[in-house]
Amino acid sequence: DAGVIQSPRHEVTEMGQEVTLRCKPISGHDYLFWYRQTMMRGLELLIYFNNNVPIDDSGMPEDRFSAKMPNASFSTLKIQPSEPRDSAVYFCASSSPGLAGGPRETQYFGPGTRLLVL
Amino acid sequence: QKEVEQNSGPLSVPEGAIASLNCTYSDRGSQSFFWYRQYSGKSPELIMFIYSNGDKEDGRFTAQLNKASQYVSLLIRDSQPSDSATYLCAVMRSGANNLFFGTGTRLTVIP
Repeated sequence: DAGVIQSPRHEVTEMGQEVTLRCKPISGHDYLFWYRQTMMRGLELLIYFNNNVPIDDSGMPEDRFSAKMPNASFSTLKIQPSEPRDSAVYFCASSSPGLAGGPRETQYFGPGTRLLVL
Repeated sequence: QKEVEQNSGPLSVPEGAIASLNCTYSDRGSQSFFWYRQYSGKSPELIMFIYSNGDKEDGRFTAQLNKASQYVSLLIRDSQPSDSATYLCAVMRSGANNLFFGTGTRLTVIP
């Protein structure tokens, strides 16, 4: 298995531009999580999906951020317009369903997208 | 108060020593506890999870949980330079499907 795939791996953009991050979860995993990691705030959950449906988006910082999962093998996180404070590493993670309906213990993380907004 | 708190370190131990990493959490209803390891520039990977009070051992790693004190720890025996990384503590609340992560403790094992 190729693992969780994210693209691009690095993104440098100017303030005000639209940024789209992409994620392909591991096949058969029906939970998908988007995280943001910074030195100051650590790893924060932005939003997660179950069976392509957004379950909890309370971590999305503001309306500039949006996420979609049009099918089981693809998700996007969009920032429009981007700001310098959005600079961070964005991780996508997936997990398979557990016995009680929730996700299994192990979340598999993608390699991350390093975003720099100038 | 943060959901999960860790000492950011850095923590330095000599090769072969025991490294002790600590974590406290604020929600007494939390039921699942995880330790992830993250090498510099890489993504987090799960080392261990623990649900019950007491110790859980896996090779050189031992996770310890004390729910009464809301405290989780990770012991690494016979530390190796390859253990040098940031260790993230994560907690899942009862009935929830998402994790709350601490900011991590950076460990350096000195050869």
